[in-house]
Amino acid sequence: QKEVEQNSGPLSVPEGAIASLNCTYSDRGSQSFFWYRQYSGKSPELIMSIYSNGDKEDGRFTAQLNKASQYVSLLIRDSQPSDSATYLCAERDSNYQLIWGAGTKLIIKP
Amino acid sequence: DAGVTQSPTHLIKTRGQHVTLRCSPISGHKSVSWYQQVLGQGPQFIFQYYEKEERGRGNFPDRFSARQFPNYSSELNVNALLLGDSALYLCASSPTDTMPTEAFFGQGTRLTVV
Repeated sequence: QKEVEQNSGPLSVPEGAIASLNCTYSDRGSQSFFWYRQYSGKSPELIMSIYSNGDKEDGRFTAQLNKASQYVSLLIRDSQPSDSATYLCAERDSNYQLIWGAGTKLIIKP
Repeated sequence: DAGVTQSPTHLIKTRGQHVTLRCSPISGHKSVSWYQQVLGQGPQFIFQYYEKEERGRGNFPDRFSARQFPNYSSELNVNALLLGDSALYLCASSPTDTMPTEAFFGQGTRLTVV
């Protein structure tokens, strides 16, 4: 059974601090990983994609992938209240299907 | 540039009825996938279609079916609705079915079964 695990939270972070979100996966054949942000009642919005080991930076967001340890993380620098949302981690497995975690609820406190 | 569009946005149905949900992918995208998201959980994969052919099916009963049309739009059909089918139904499009490409979602259809 292919699984993606995330801490459901909520994770509470002061405004301006770094928010760190983590995700582990079970399928060693997974080729690509994604972080989506989902506001309550809305559909997921793609934040970052990462395909290779290491870090990938895009503005205030940094995705980190470690295939040997089977984890992927998302760092959000200078957290803003508008970053408050549920963050979903997804992997595209060896069958090219998206497998999702349950999401981590992030709360940025002003 | 239009994104993924889904219709309707909200729907209320009675147990036992059937429902058809529609999705139009981003222009140029040939792959459409359907997901079910129950409140408080991550999306669950239902179907993937590419070039009108089913390329993948998740662990859902035969009451769920789908198809893709020549213009790459897609329909998801659910028969004999159960209360547990109440969820946000998401459609995602991507350029291909086999490359590790990103998937982009429509706004979803909120289905409530009463």
